[in-house]
This record gives sequence, C-alpha cells and structure tokens, in this order.
Amino acid sequence: SQTIHQWPATLVQPVGSPLSLECTVEGTSNPNLYWYRQAAGRGLQLLFYSVGIGQISSEVPQNLSASRPQDRQFILSSKKLLLSDSGFYLCAWSVGQTYEQYFGPGTRLTVT
Amino acid sequence: GENVEQHPSTLSVQEGDSAVIKCTYSDSASNYFPWYKQELGKRPQLIIDIRSNVGEKKDQRIAVTLNKTAKHFSLHITETQPEDSAVYFCAACSGNTPLVFGKGTRLSVIA
Repeated sequence: SQTIHQWPATLVQPVGSPLSLECTVEGTSNPNLYWYRQAAGRGLQLLFYSVGIGQISSEVPQNLSASRPQDRQFILSSKKLLLSDSGFYLCAWSVGQTYEQYFGPGTRLTVT
Repeated sequence: GENVEQHPSTLSVQEGDSAVIKCTYSDSASNYFPWYKQELGKRPQLIIDIRSNVGEKKDQRIAVTLNKTAKHFSLHITETQPEDSAVYFCAACSGNTPLVFGKGTRLSVIA
C-alpha cells in the first residue's frame, strides 16, 4: 500500500533563516505531488504541484520554492523565512486519472 | 479557472441530527468532487468522493449528491455523533488539474 512521509513533524525557525521540508511517497510510481500551506484556522492553499521529476508548477509567487529530485521525493525550500510563512505544511499525492489525493501528516512550522 | 464556494462556514447540530454542507463550482468541465474531514491538528482525510457520471453516493452515515446542471454538490451526514466534529472541505477538479478546495465548514456536534 502507499505511504507518504513528511519531516520534520514540527519546526521552529527564526525569521531570515533557511527552510527545507521533505516529502517522500512509497508504494507507487510517477505520482503527482503537491505542497499546501494551511494558516491557523484557515483553508488549504496550494503552493506547488509536480507531475514528474523536475516539473514544478507554482501557484503562488512568494519566497518559497520546490524541487523534485527523484520520482517520489518532493522538497519545499526557502532561503529566508518570513513571519507569514508560519503554518501547517502538507504534502499530498495522487496518481494518474484516479484523481484521489491523499495528504501526508504535515509539518507545523513556526517562524519566530 | 475553477472556483469552489462552500457554505456554511460553521455549523452546529445536536447529536443525532443530520448535517448538510453545500458547495458550488464554476467550471462545467470539473468531473471529480471529493470531501475531506480534518480533525484538529491532523491532516485532511478523504472521506467520500463522487464523479460526474454519478448523481449520489452513500457510505454508511455519509452521502454526497451532485447536481451537474446546477453545478453544486452536497455532503450529508445522518445521525451525527460527537466524533463527526471537525472541519470539512469540498473540492473539485477536472483532468490532471489540481484540486480546488472550498474554504471549509467547521462542524460542531453537541452532545
């Protein structure tokens, strides 16, 4: 069966520091991968999605970037964090025409 | 692009009553409509979905209905229980486009 991992689970970082969040999927090939951010008490904001290695679509221009170095690995990065980057970061995957999308356990980021 | 509106934003019901959450979408090409349940501090979980070739789908106490003509779909929860309390999100998409989510409904089931 498919499994999605995210780490770290929680992170506290100072303003201006770099960020790297990792997501990996097991048990499937060529998944579509997604990064979402959820501010406290708010909805799901799609940040990036990828349909294949090296293919990244950005939904919201900001100080974040994403990379997909391997088929089942998706990385979210920032060179300099802002206070407004605080939130719950969720990775998700889907496969082909089934459309069903499943979320990872998330990383709770607090920028201080 | 697709736009999904979700109502109400908050909903309180007595335990045992029914709850209905409604969503409308704008893109007539959308053909997949999932519902997610998110408990406090947890990831959203897919609880039920419906595709455009079906008008209704049921799974125990939850059901989803789809009206393609009117471009709206609804989540129905019967015999609500305290553990149904959560935030519920609807979404829509077509083809390989990403899901577009509604803003969520916070459901409180009062014992």
